Amino acid sequence: GQQLNQSPQSMFIQEGEDVSMNCTSSSIFNTWLWYKQDPGEGPVLLIALYKAGELTSNGRLTAQFGITRKDSFLNISASIPSDVGIYFCAGPPGTASKLTFGTGTRLQVTL
Amino acid sequence: DAGITQSPRHKVTETGTPVTLRCHQTENHRYMYWYRQDPGHGLRLIHYSYGVKDTDKGEVSDGYSVSRSKTEDFLLTLESATSSQTSVYFCAISESTLLRNYGYTFGSGTRLTVV
Repeated sequence: GQQLNQSPQSMFIQEGEDVSMNCTSSSIFNTWLWYKQDPGEGPVLLIALYKAGELTSNGRLTAQFGITRKDSFLNISASIPSDVGIYFCAGPPGTASKLTFGTGTRLQVTL
Repeated sequence: DAGITQSPRHKVTETGTPVTLRCHQTENHRYMYWYRQDPGHGLRLIHYSYGVKDTDKGEVSDGYSVSRSKTEDFLLTLESATSSQTSVYFCAISESTLLRNYGYTFGSGTRLTVV
């Protein structure tokens, strides 16, 4: 089935560094969502994107809807320890009414 | 403020036994979903429901069945548990499938181990 590929698979960074991650698909998405999962919890929605080229921020997080509609990017500026977790991209492929999730990027932040 | 709860949170079961996981919501949302999370695969959809007694299969539905007899409850049953079903299971709810309402709310998950 459809799968969204995220990279990198994991990241180890120092507190204060900026982070970039991306998500790619072989098919077009009309909506891109980014979720964060804290250890032992379910994912929580961070940012939603609805238009190609759209750039949306939520505090230190900025996400972009790729022009080709087949990718999306998430940046975190000035990382802090509570940014630790797994970040998932997600979207409904084509006209589907259900979400497909990416493989996840695991972020570790060291002091 | 949890509008969605999953039970149990942890379970260990033997191969070949039936297992039922429960998802309960207090939000009166129409749509409910069951996902499993495995390393390297992210979250994969098992089954979903778009109303009472209305359910459909997701991409990894083999070996699983679901039931929804009330709006607030969505049950996932492993008919005969296998080791490949060891995973973390998440339930999610959403109000609608309209474009600007794709935010799912997830439960805290059930960690199932099949030995």
